[in-house]
Amino acid sequence: EAGVVQSPRYKIIEKKQPVAFWCNPISGHNTLYWYLQNLGQGPELLIRYENEEAVDDSQLPKDRFSAERLKGVDSTLKIQPAELGDSAVYLCASSLSSSQETQYFGPGTRLLVL
Amino acid sequence: AQTVTQSQPEMSVQEAETVTLSCTYDTSENNYYLFWYKQPPSRQMILVIRQEAYKQQNATENRFSVNFQKAAKSFSLKISDSQLGDTAMYFCAFMRSYGNKLVFGAGTILRVKS
Repeated sequence: EAGVVQSPRYKIIEKKQPVAFWCNPISGHNTLYWYLQNLGQGPELLIRYENEEAVDDSQLPKDRFSAERLKGVDSTLKIQPAELGDSAVYLCASSLSSSQETQYFGPGTRLLVL
Repeated sequence: AQTVTQSQPEMSVQEAETVTLSCTYDTSENNYYLFWYKQPPSRQMILVIRQEAYKQQNATENRFSVNFQKAAKSFSLKISDSQLGDTAMYFCAFMRSYGNKLVFGAGTILRVKS
């Protein structure tokens, strides 16, 4: 069974440019998460989806960050415009449902903003 | 709000020996889940072991076991017969039963030496 797929794996952009990350969860997983991981720290939740509905986006900086999961399967996280402080790893995870405890993580996208 | 503390930024152990990683957490919840995740240098976050708070028996997974002390809010990970492949960053994480957000500690870098 394929795991969580993320692309791209690495991205280098200049500040003020837009950037987008894509995630495809494990097949059949209804719950999808985007986490931000700064260097040397643990991940922090940005947004959680139950199917196509964003049920927890309280930590998402909505002035520059947006996310969508239109058909309740794959998801896109966008930053526009990117700032130097956005350099980090963006992790996607999925779980079978909101009552399933175990989250499975993708390999992440490492973003460097110059 | 829940917090997770890992007080050991770095640990090292000789191959084949045993090492224990510490984790404490703070919560007012009675039902919750605790996890240890491993993140090798490739950055894929992998679940090592999980513990349900309502279970008194400590979880074990092959060479990995936990010492869960609910009253003390302590959740340590013991790795027996350490292998070179165990070298990674280890994160302790907390999740409320129905809240579904993972709260991570800052991580412990474990180096297994030959």
